Amino acid sequence: KNEVEQSPQNLTAQEGEFITINCSYSVGISALHWLQQHPGGGIVSLFMLSSGKKKHGRLIATINIQEKHSSLHITASHPRDSAVYICAVNRSGSGSRLTFGEGTQLTVNP
Amino acid sequence: NAGVMQNPRHLVRRRGQEARLRCSPMKGHSHVYWYRQLPEEGLKFMVYLQKENIIDESGMPKERFSAEFPKEGPSILRIQQVVRGDSAAYFCASSRQGAFDNEQFFGPGTRLTVL
Repeated sequence: KNEVEQSPQNLTAQEGEFITINCSYSVGISALHWLQQHPGGGIVSLFMLSSGKKKHGRLIATINIQEKHSSLHITASHPRDSAVYICAVNRSGSGSRLTFGEGTQLTVNP
Repeated sequence: NAGVMQNPRHLVRRRGQEARLRCSPMKGHSHVYWYRQLPEEGLKFMVYLQKENIIDESGMPKERFSAEFPKEGPSILRIQQVVRGDSAAYFCASSRQGAFDNEQFFGPGTRLTVL
């Protein structure tokens, strides 16, 4: 079983829909990251959080440390949001190396 | 302010050849991480380096793979005697410091194809 699990693996939405991607982890962590991998392969860091909630534009990330769960929300989704979204954690005691989930492939149709 | 640079972006090698992948971190960053993404798989940590030091190489295969980050110049990931199973995307990331709460910035990746 992976230490970082994401759901769903694949998600198709219509433009304008509210989207939620979930991430659960089974290890102690010091921080959690949400990354976006574009169709061309490049990776962009969206959020890094260790508690609470962060918002950037139409993106919102939340984390519940007690439940070992994080969610990434996209409001008013757009076709340009189509990408793979990856959850990654800094495991406690492992310093700054990242452990990744398998990713969620999001497709937003016009 | 240039981001993390990796070259080449695409590299084709025949079995048994050597592959050298380069990563130049963002300006002001002295910590470099290498990750590998095998086809249809997630990203996996390989190695974490500071200038002239390997901090954590627990994700590196024991044979054929090595990494360095010299005082001057880019970080190099070297794969000797490549095999087909080495075909993957190799990503480099850098951070200003090595603490867990420092954001990592990723390069565009090098896609290695072994024929």
